[in-house]
Amino acid sequence: KQEVTQIPAALSVPEGENLVLNCSFTDSAIYNLQWFRQDPGKGLTSLLLIQSSQREQTSGRLNASLDKSSGRSTLYIAASQPGDSATYLCAVKNSNYQLIWGAGTKLIIKP
Amino acid sequence: NAGVTQTPKFQVLKTGQSMTLQCAQDMNHNSMYWYRQDPGMGLRLIYYSASEGTTDKGEVPNGYNVSRLNKREFSLRLESAAPSQTSVYFCASSEEAAGRIYQPQHFGDGTRLSIL
Repeated sequence: KQEVTQIPAALSVPEGENLVLNCSFTDSAIYNLQWFRQDPGKGLTSLLLIQSSQREQTSGRLNASLDKSSGRSTLYIAASQPGDSATYLCAVKNSNYQLIWGAGTKLIIKP
Repeated sequence: NAGVTQTPKFQVLKTGQSMTLQCAQDMNHNSMYWYRQDPGMGLRLIYYSASEGTTDKGEVPNGYNVSRLNKREFSLRLESAAPSQTSVYFCASSEEAAGRIYQPQHFGDGTRLSIL
């Protein structure tokens, strides 16, 4: 059974720092991995989707990598800003139509 | 440009009451999903609908029923609410394209449901 783990559960860093969020999964037979952002009281917004054949995806200050063989993905945020404060979730798709989710990392960027 | 719309946004029920959560998407997506999110846990899939006219159980379907009314709408029904169903419920949709080029899911803002 696929399990997705995100460590740490919470992270607080000063504004301007580069940071890395981690996601690990137990079954490497995945179709894709997605990173989402969730703001308090809101739904989830897709940030990056990495297909199983890809190693990384970039969008602005965000870069996500995928290493299927080791069951790991990282989300790199460059030059963090207070507006980046949110909960970041990763999810893997390893069967039709179903995503398996991590519990998320709550990120706080201190001004 | 509404995306995925969920109603209601908040609801308080008494144990044993029934209610239906509504979800509609305007992106012409084939697939729709219902999740629940509990503190400290990842989202868990309750039911999904791969296309109009089909529904399938997810990870935690007990106590729920769904209806894919048409391509736009996918409702979730609690027939006899229990305190364990207190949660935040999210509806999502996606376009599951051919050739396994999967597209991201789009989410509504959620329904916060409390069962007393």
